[in-house]
Amino acid sequence: DPKIIQKPKYLVAVTGSEKILICEQYLGHNAMYWYRQSAKKPLEFMFSYSYQKLMDNQTASSRFQPQSSKKNHLDLQITALKPDDSATYFCASSQDHWGEDTQYFGPGTRLLVL
Amino acid sequence: GDSVTQTEGQVTVSESKSLIINCTYSATSIGYPNLFWYVRYPGEGLQLLLKVITAGQKGSSRGFEATYNKEATSFHLQKASVQESDSAVYYCALSRNNNNAPRFGAGTKLSVKP
Repeated sequence: DPKIIQKPKYLVAVTGSEKILICEQYLGHNAMYWYRQSAKKPLEFMFSYSYQKLMDNQTASSRFQPQSSKKNHLDLQITALKPDDSATYFCASSQDHWGEDTQYFGPGTRLLVL
Repeated sequence: GDSVTQTEGQVTVSESKSLIINCTYSATSIGYPNLFWYVRYPGEGLQLLLKVITAGQKGSSRGFEATYNKEATSFHLQKASVQESDSAVYYCALSRNNNNAPRFGAGTKLSVKP
C-alpha cells in the first residue's frame, strides 16, 4: 500500500487558474515537505512543515501556499498559474524535522500549465 | 549556503563494470553536514539508497558504497559491478541538524548496458 499519496497524478491547467495539489502520508511522520522538479532542472526544495507549522520556505512567490489541515496532510495551493509552473511536484515526509532523518517521497503530481 | 554538485548528468556503464558517480559539497556553516544518496528507479518515487551522518564513515546498501570524505568534501557513490537493474537517477543530498532545508544535487542518470 502506498504510504504517501499524492493526488492527482497528472494535472493540466490554464494560465491564470488555481489548483490544489493533495498530499497525505500514512507513515506517522511529524514533518512534511514539498519539492518541485522542472524539466532538466535539479530537485528544488519549496517548503517544510513540522507538527503543522511552517519551518522553512524557499519559494519566493506567494502564489504557492501550503495548507495543513491535519498532521498527515500537506496540500499545496497554487494561484495565478503560469507556464513556468509546469513541473513535477513531490511531497515528502520524515519522522521529524531533523537533518539526519530519511525523507520518504511520494510519486509526484505532474502539472502542465498551458 | 550549503550546496551539492554532481558533475555528470548522465553516465553509461556496461553490465558487470565498475561505477563511480561523483558528488562534492560546499558547506558554508560550521560543523559537518549529513550526507545522503537517493535513487529514483524508472516508474518509482525517490527513495533513500544510503546515508552517512558522521564524517569519515562509509555507508553501503545494495552493493553501493559511499565514503564521507571531509577533507575533499566529497561523497562519491561507487559500485564494483553494476547490473542492468541499477539503471536509475541518483541524487546526492546534504542536510543539517537545524531548521534549514536539505540540498539536493542535480542528479545523475545511470544507464547500464547489457
